[in-house]
Amino acid sequence: GAVVSQHPSWVICKSGTSVKIECRSLDFQATTMFWYRQFPKQSLMLMATSNEGSKATYEQGVEKDKFLINHASLTLSTLTVTSAHPEDSSFYICSARHGVTGELFFGEGSRLTVL
Amino acid sequence: KQEVTQIPAALSVPEGENLVLNCSFTDSAIYNLQWFRQDPGKGLTSLLLIQSSQREQTSGRLNASLDKSSGRSTLYIAASQPGDSATYLCAGCFSGGYNKLIFGAGTRLAVHP
Repeated sequence: GAVVSQHPSWVICKSGTSVKIECRSLDFQATTMFWYRQFPKQSLMLMATSNEGSKATYEQGVEKDKFLINHASLTLSTLTVTSAHPEDSSFYICSARHGVTGELFFGEGSRLTVL
Repeated sequence: KQEVTQIPAALSVPEGENLVLNCSFTDSAIYNLQWFRQDPGKGLTSLLLIQSSQREQTSGRLNASLDKSSGRSTLYIAASQPGDSATYLCAGCFSGGYNKLIFGAGTRLAVHP
């Protein structure tokens, strides 16, 4: 099946630093990728929709300057958490929409811990 | 407002039981519905995708149905095994929803030997 690779799988950083998370579709092209945030024992909360070659669309309440999204190619989207603080600690998951079938495939997630 | 609800929130069953997980949605203009499995601390694994034109999909011991008129989907797991223990999420993609999925809160399933 289609594979979405997310890197890093976990990261620990100091407060104030910026962290970049990559999301790659390995064997298919994805014109649209999505970034989610998940708190413990809760469902996924959509943060933004990333379209290749255009600006990301952010959900209400998500700070654009805080969570920078770049969809540089049909197989790569990045999420940068800028000036991270402890409240940004969470599990971040990306998904990529298969360009042919429309099915969504998810990465393994990235656990961010900000000290 | 488009909402997806899953019942029950948690379920514990002995091995071998057949079980049904329920998902309901408020907007009948659904484009497709997808069932996922999530293991603790992991990402999501797609189980079944049902397009709006379909009524059900099957994969191995899993069967998912979609009833747009009643706003419901069910995931049927036959002969449950301890390895089926995970959180099961349903998510709907609705017409006019800019292709984004709306997730239910999930059902945490525990299958004990």
